[in-house]
Amino acid sequence: GAVVSQHPSRVICKSGTSVKIECRSLDFQATTMFWYRQFPKQSLMLMATSNEGSKATYEQGVEKDKFLINHASLTLSTLTVTSAHPEDSSFYICSAIGVTSGVTYEQYFGPGTRLTVT
Amino acid sequence: GENVEQHPSTLSVQEGDSAVIKCTYSDSASNYFPWYKQELGKGPQLIIDIRSNVGEKKDQRIAVTLNKTAKHFSLHITETQPEDSAVYFCAASLLNQAGTALIFGKGTTLSVSS
Repeated sequence: GAVVSQHPSRVICKSGTSVKIECRSLDFQATTMFWYRQFPKQSLMLMATSNEGSKATYEQGVEKDKFLINHASLTLSTLTVTSAHPEDSSFYICSAIGVTSGVTYEQYFGPGTRLTVT
Repeated sequence: GENVEQHPSTLSVQEGDSAVIKCTYSDSASNYFPWYKQELGKGPQLIIDIRSNVGEKKDQRIAVTLNKTAKHFSLHITETQPEDSAVYFCAASLLNQAGTALIFGKGTTLSVSS
């Protein structure tokens, strides 16, 4: 089946620094990827939609200058948390839309990245 | 936009009993309704999904039903086992190449005691 990877799985950074998280579709091409954020014991909240070759679409309340998204290829999207603060500590999960059996679109999730800002 | 409501927020059952989780959605254009199981510290894992052209789907102990008219869908787990204990999320979206993101319910924490 289709696989989506994320790197790193865990990262600890100091307040004020920037962190880049990668999301890769390993065996399929994904024109659309999504970034979600999940706080402890809460649901997944959509942050932005990432389309290959174009600017990401951010959800209301998500600062595009703080959460930089780049979807430079059909298999890679990156999320950069700039000037991180402790309140940015969260579980970040990406997903990608791919085609199975040549017809059916499916959405596949990565394993998530745990970001801790100290 | 789409809004997904999920109930109950917590569910405790005895091993061997059945568990039912219900969700409602608001956007009649949504055509894809997956269910995810999430264990602590891990990403969500798709356990079953249903598309709007189908009313019911079953996979071993897990089944999902969809009522498009009422805009609700349900997850049924039979013969529950302790390893079924996890957080379950329902979601809804319009799934095509461009794709809208999944909108998730708030989750149900299922506890199966032996």
